[in-house]
Amino acid sequence: AQTVTQSQPEMSVQEAETVTLSCTYDTSESDYYLFWYKQPPSRQMILVIRQEAYKQQNATENRFSVNFQKAAKSFSLKISDSQLGDAAMYFCAYRSAGTASKLTFGTGTRLQVTL
Amino acid sequence: AAGVIQSPRHLIKEKRETATLKCYPIPRHDTVYWYQQGPGQDPQFLISFYEKMQSDKGSIPDRFSAQQFSDYHSELNMSSLELGDSALYFCASSLNGGWGYTFGSGTRLTVV
Repeated sequence: AQTVTQSQPEMSVQEAETVTLSCTYDTSESDYYLFWYKQPPSRQMILVIRQEAYKQQNATENRFSVNFQKAAKSFSLKISDSQLGDAAMYFCAYRSAGTASKLTFGTGTRLQVTL
Repeated sequence: AAGVIQSPRHLIKEKRETATLKCYPIPRHDTVYWYQQGPGQDPQFLISFYEKMQSDKGSIPDRFSAQQFSDYHSELNMSSLELGDSALYFCASSLNGGWGYTFGSGTRLTVV
């Protein structure tokens, strides 16, 4: 079974600064997908960024980028120019490549953004 | 754009009662997933359906059952409710069982 580990329960960043959230995973599969989801106080699950394991190029979405290290099974999220609206719980998630595969989530990192 | 619709948004039930949660996927999406998120926890996979057939099953109690109907909407039936069932229940949908998940806003179930 796949597992996802987020070792940082809480992180804090000043507005306009950069922060990196860590995620590692364990799998024996070669083809899979990785995601970062944001869950603000409203508890809506919002997709931040996703990465296909077969792609070597790291995904980027505006201020959000990932550092995907397949051999190390590491998938960190970098948030640049942090904004107050970035404050939320961030979940790293793994999905097998098969049809209708489930998401396996990490335990989450709560990000605080300070002035 | 249409999103995943879950109803009701909030539900309060007493112990030992029954609850039914509904999920309406994005039009043309044929795959539905259910997740349970307890307070301060990460979402846990319950069950999924692809083309109206059960696709996968996670840590879903025997007291819970679910199905996907001909119009692809899904219902999660929960009986003999316990205090520990209080949680946020998410539904997500995707097209052709693909990896493009879209989550609904969730149903917050409180068992008293």
